[in-house]
Amino acid sequence: GAVVSQHPSRVICKSGTSVKIECRSLDFQATTMFWYRQFPKQSLMLMATSNEGSKATYEQGVEKDKFLINHASLTLSTLTVTSAHPEDSSFYICSAALVSTDTQYFGPGTRLTVL
Amino acid sequence: TQLLEQSPQFLSIQEGENLTVYCNSSSVFSSLQWYRQEPGEGPVLLVTVVTGGEVKKLKRLTFQFGDARKDSSLHITAAQPGDTGLYLCAGGNEKLTFGTGTRLTIIP
Repeated sequence: GAVVSQHPSRVICKSGTSVKIECRSLDFQATTMFWYRQFPKQSLMLMATSNEGSKATYEQGVEKDKFLINHASLTLSTLTVTSAHPEDSSFYICSAALVSTDTQYFGPGTRLTVL
Repeated sequence: TQLLEQSPQFLSIQEGENLTVYCNSSSVFSSLQWYRQEPGEGPVLLVTVVTGGEVKKLKRLTFQFGDARKDSSLHITAAQPGDTGLYLCAGGNEKLTFGTGTRLTIIP
């Protein structure tokens, strides 16, 4: 199957700082990438859908100015958590698909801890 | 809002036993996928079912998609400790909606 990587795998930051998470599709070109958030002992919740070259579509309740998504190429999407707070601490997972309705391939996740 | 409820939420059984996990919704999905997730890792796709009534087998795992494409089940035969993990169903239309999850523990 297709491989998706995320970097970093773990990050600890201070409250008020910004953190960037990268999601890369290693062996295919992904027109669509998705960003999910997973709190402990809970399921995955979709945060936003990003299509290469266009603005991301955010789910209800997700602040677009806080969670900045950039999908500048067919193999890279980034999620920047701005002015992070402890409640933003979570497991962030991306997925990539050839097209939006195609099978999604998931990355290994990034554990964010905000102190 | 599309919701997928999984049951049971937690399941702990002895090695060698059989089990079934259910995934139910009031919404119709064009496809339904099952994933297994290990702690600290992303979910790994197990199977995709797209046709109402479809049954797929993956070794000791049997997946069924309901006739109305609103529900699905996962049956594991002769469970092994390696089956331990979080099992997630996800319904697909324009985007994936994940179920509430079933945390399975197989006791050696």
